[in-house]
Amino acid sequence: TQLLEQSPQFLSIQEGENLTVYCNSSSVFSSLQWYRQEPGEGPVLLVTVVTGGEVKKLKRLTFQFGDARKDSSLHITAAQTGDTGLYLCAGAEMESSGDKLTFGTGTRLAVRP
Amino acid sequence: NAGVMQNPRHLVRRRGQEARLRCSPMKGHSHVYWYRQLPEEGLKFMVYLQKENIIDESGMPKERFSAEFPKEGPSILRIQQVVRGDSAAYFCASSREAGGPPLHFGNGTRLTVT
Repeated sequence: TQLLEQSPQFLSIQEGENLTVYCNSSSVFSSLQWYRQEPGEGPVLLVTVVTGGEVKKLKRLTFQFGDARKDSSLHITAAQTGDTGLYLCAGAEMESSGDKLTFGTGTRLAVRP
Repeated sequence: NAGVMQNPRHLVRRRGQEARLRCSPMKGHSHVYWYRQLPEEGLKFMVYLQKENIIDESGMPKERFSAEFPKEGPSILRIQQVVRGDSAAYFCASSREAGGPPLHFGNGTRLTVT
């Protein structure tokens, strides 16, 4: 079973600050996704990265896939209170059946006004 | 286009009872996945089904848990003789095809075993 470790586990910052969340594994993934989950709801897809070294931007969020496709990072610029939530990375295994995903341990972000 | 629909949203069962969780995938999606999320943890894969077939059940506990996705109707995750450790949020996801667009998740069923 492939494991994805996220760091930090918890992060509490002031509105306007920048932050980076890391997702690391010793295994190679064919693609990696980032989700955000609000309390009482299912994960909502933010982005999918497929190519090693790929960088994708979604407004104030920047996602990067490591060159070796083993790790990824999510950088948020000028955080807002609306960014508060649980951030999950998930990797699609190289030889998985269908779209079976391995989820990371999660980073719980709290942005204070 | 309705998203992935799960019901019930909340389910309370006493130890030893059966729990049935239902999932209707997005229209046109024939692949269904079930994941379990324990408090303060990430999601863990349980089972992957296509219509009338179980493709991968490597994440399902060997006993008491079963899943089906019939030709007609929703996918069902069934837990027999529930125990307190089964308390969790169970999420269903669907996709149009294997290796296709990313999974779309429902809002989950929160099972509480008392």
